[in-house]
Amino acid sequence: TQLLEQSPQFLSIQEGENLTVYCNSSSVFSSLQWYRQEPGEGPVLLVTVVTGGEVKKLKRLTFQFGDARKDSSLHITAAQPGDTGLYLCAGDVGGAGKSTFGDGTTLTVKP
Amino acid sequence: DAGVIQSPRHEVTEMGQEVTLRCKPISGHDYLFWYRQTMMRGLELLIYFNNNVPIDDSGMPEDRFSAKMPNASFSTLKIQPSEPRDSAVYFCASSLTGGTGELFFGEGSRLTVL
Repeated sequence: TQLLEQSPQFLSIQEGENLTVYCNSSSVFSSLQWYRQEPGEGPVLLVTVVTGGEVKKLKRLTFQFGDARKDSSLHITAAQPGDTGLYLCAGDVGGAGKSTFGDGTTLTVKP
Repeated sequence: DAGVIQSPRHEVTEMGQEVTLRCKPISGHDYLFWYRQTMMRGLELLIYFNNNVPIDDSGMPEDRFSAKMPNASFSTLKIQPSEPRDSAVYFCASSLTGGTGELFFGEGSRLTVL
């Protein structure tokens, strides 16, 4: 049973386009994090959200946490080739005290 | 400051051999995690330690896997005997605030069991 479902699994777009990726669960998150992983490296934290309805911005990246704290989205404006990577959401589902990762969205931005 | 350091970066071994993966967490981080990443199963938590004590090992696949943390600056993940299905990238991560805080990952150890 996948506790965190991410969509789409793969996304290939041209430089300059906008995109949104999603992270969903049937359970409530105590907190949720987005990581980006580049080939040959470990994941690196982008943001943590904890409050339902919260919106955080990191340059061209906008993160939204659902009001019910069961889902989240990551929107990238004017994507660049440097945004290419695996985007992972991780959540403490049900307050277990440890983060569970989704399967990720593999993003390719073509120049 | 140095990040999380893992060794080896790559290991190729034959089925039945013992494999030992090593990790040095970031100094001052009280939590250490071992994850395994595969295409089929994604990033899975195997075990994590708090102050060198194993807290949750429910993700350890079977008795062939064991992990130790003899001190605050060193941990090992051992597989004995190894099997081809153990082939994966194994990540070590450390954290100041536990499993729901920011995780700092090492570069991973890519294991191939032939």
